Amino acid sequence: GQNIDQPTEMTATEGAIVQINCTYQTSGFNGLFWYQQHAGEAPTFLSYNVLDGLEEKGRFSSFLSRSKGYSYLLLKELQMKDSASYLCAVRAQKYNFNKFYFGSGTKLNVKP
Amino acid sequence: DSGVTQTPKHLITATGQRVTLRCSPRSGDLSVYWYQQSLDQGLQFLIQYYNGEERAKGNILERFSAQQFPDLHSELNLSSLELGDSALYFCASSGRQAPLRETEAFFGQGTRLTVV
Repeated sequence: GQNIDQPTEMTATEGAIVQINCTYQTSGFNGLFWYQQHAGEAPTFLSYNVLDGLEEKGRFSSFLSRSKGYSYLLLKELQMKDSASYLCAVRAQKYNFNKFYFGSGTKLNVKP
Repeated sequence: DSGVTQTPKHLITATGQRVTLRCSPRSGDLSVYWYQQSLDQGLQFLIQYYNGEERAKGNILERFSAQQFPDLHSELNLSSLELGDSALYFCASSGRQAPLRETEAFFGQGTRLTVV
């Protein structure tokens, strides 16, 4: 099976920086993804890491350490619209196809 | 627009009834995933199909079933509905014709099912 752990909820202030951690245990690891989900809406893709290191995409960055089974999503210059759930997902390859495993999500509350 | 289409967007039905949710994946995607999300809960994986075959099963109830057709669209059938089945049901697709070039999973806008 696959285990993905991330904090249930976090609160941060507008303009600040927040780091959302994700740990995972998986076999056939083939990529780690972060998604943003506003309440009642579909998850939307934010970032993707398959090699160790930091991927930067504007205000959002994601880091991966495969040996530690660890990733984080860093959000800078927080805006009120960043209040959402952030889902960590691991893609694992089995035979000739992939499967995605999602964490339960971290609900981020951004306050003024 | 993710390219994944789900119908209907909203569905209200009574307990004991049966409904069918439909998903059209992105053009060329072979994998279809179904997820259930109850209010303020995480995504619960139900089932995955790959090129018409069932590939993985999550905590899917026996009252629920799914299939993927030759044109790659998928249907999720929910029967003997209970109040607790009220949730958002998401479909996602991934995987191009060459799975090794696959990238992220793309989600449809979901079907909101309300059982009364």
